[in-house]
Amino acid sequence: AQSVTQLDSHVSVSEGTPVLLRCNYSSSYSPSLFWYVQHPNKGLQLLLKYTSAATLVKGINGFEAEFKKSETSFHLTKPSAHMSDAAEYFCVVSDQSSYKLIFGSGTRLLVRP
Amino acid sequence: DAGVIQSPRHEVTEMGQEVTLRCKPISGHNSLFWYRQTMMRGLELLIYFNNNVPIDDSGMPEDRFSAKMPNASFSTLKIQPSEPRDSAVYFCASSPDHGRHTGELFFGEGSRLTVL
Repeated sequence: AQSVTQLDSHVSVSEGTPVLLRCNYSSSYSPSLFWYVQHPNKGLQLLLKYTSAATLVKGINGFEAEFKKSETSFHLTKPSAHMSDAAEYFCVVSDQSSYKLIFGSGTRLLVRP
Repeated sequence: DAGVIQSPRHEVTEMGQEVTLRCKPISGHNSLFWYRQTMMRGLELLIYFNNNVPIDDSGMPEDRFSAKMPNASFSTLKIQPSEPRDSAVYFCASSPDHGRHTGELFFGEGSRLTVL
């Protein structure tokens, strides 16, 4: 069975400081991993995805994530937070070529001015 | 290009009433998903269509829920009769998967349902 654990339900950072949102996964197979972002009252949008190519994945808006198999982690980072980054972020896992996405519980990112 | 379009954006109804949520996927996308989001349970997949055919409806809570996709550009999710515990945000998402699922879903902005 596959699962994802987002270690923090809320993260608060100051504008201009680094962002780290943590995610650990469990999968019996080579997983596909994703980060989705949801701004208030909006649908989810794909930030980035890992599908067994490069372990460091770059996404939109300056975000990136690193796949670490030994640590079963896929943490999301950004060097410098912007006010517009305030949103909820979901770590997602699936079997490669499977339609079933397993969503984490989400991490709400607050950016202080 | 227009994204996934859902209607209504907000619906308030009374227990026992029928609710119909609508979705227009992105043109050319052949996979369509209905999800439900609640604080308690997070995001749950209700049903998945591929080429207008329901492939997996194991997430549909009970017989009160039904979904249809009569053509490639339209899908409905119906709840009859509605109950307060159905209150949630319902998302429709589409994907351009063509026999190979990439996990890249394009979500609508959701329909927020409140059942009194």
